[in-house]
Amino acid sequence: AIRMTQSPSSFSASTGDRVTITCRASQGISSYLAWYQQKPGKAPKLLIYAASTLQSGVPSRFSGSGSGTDFTLTISCLQSEDFATYYCQQYQSFPHTFGQGTKVDIK
Amino acid sequence: EVQLVESGGGLVQPGRSLRLSCAASGFTLYDYAMHWVRQAPGKGLEWVSGISWNSGNIGYADSVKGRFTISRDNAKNSLYLQMNSLRAEDTALYYCVKGRLTGTTYFDYWGQGSLVTVSS
Repeated sequence: AIRMTQSPSSFSASTGDRVTITCRASQGISSYLAWYQQKPGKAPKLLIYAASTLQSGVPSRFSGSGSGTDFTLTISCLQSEDFATYYCQQYQSFPHTFGQGTKVDIK
Repeated sequence: EVQLVESGGGLVQPGRSLRLSCAASGFTLYDYAMHWVRQAPGKGLEWVSGISWNSGNIGYADSVKGRFTISRDNAKNSLYLQMNSLRAEDTALYYCVKGRLTGTTYFDYWGQGSLVTVSS
């Protein structure tokens, strides 16, 4: 199975900060990479697919990049509603593994 | 509006079985791959199983392989997860998830989840 490793596991940030989360795949997955946001008590929400394509309705401050094994999710100007946990996921092949998650909380 | 409503969760003893159902509405199930994803209390997301639009491609996480069976009834717009030989570590909120396309794809809609608790 392809292993997905996110870093960091958690960090604190302030509104207005530019934040970057990284995700590394244990083998190449081309651009078959999605990012999800999850808030407490809620189902995850799709942010980005195909590594860099923004899902309809997602604010443009979110962006994704990378291909192969290394990927990043960037939030250009953190807003209060962005404090949440973020997961990457590969969907190149079964099992469609998730990263362990990155929790972004308020500094 | 796309809706996914899970049912069938509950408290079950170790070694017993449970069947989850997911009722889909707002779209034609036939056109999309479907998945189950679970989340243990306070933990991250774990993909459990997926099934292509015509059931021709099915996959399972190693942790459930041989114990869980995914299936679908496109005529009833429903997805199922038969869970046998349940273990304490299967305790989680189980989400029914819609794939964006017919086969290998990302997930664009999630249900609210059905809680499964395995305990004696």
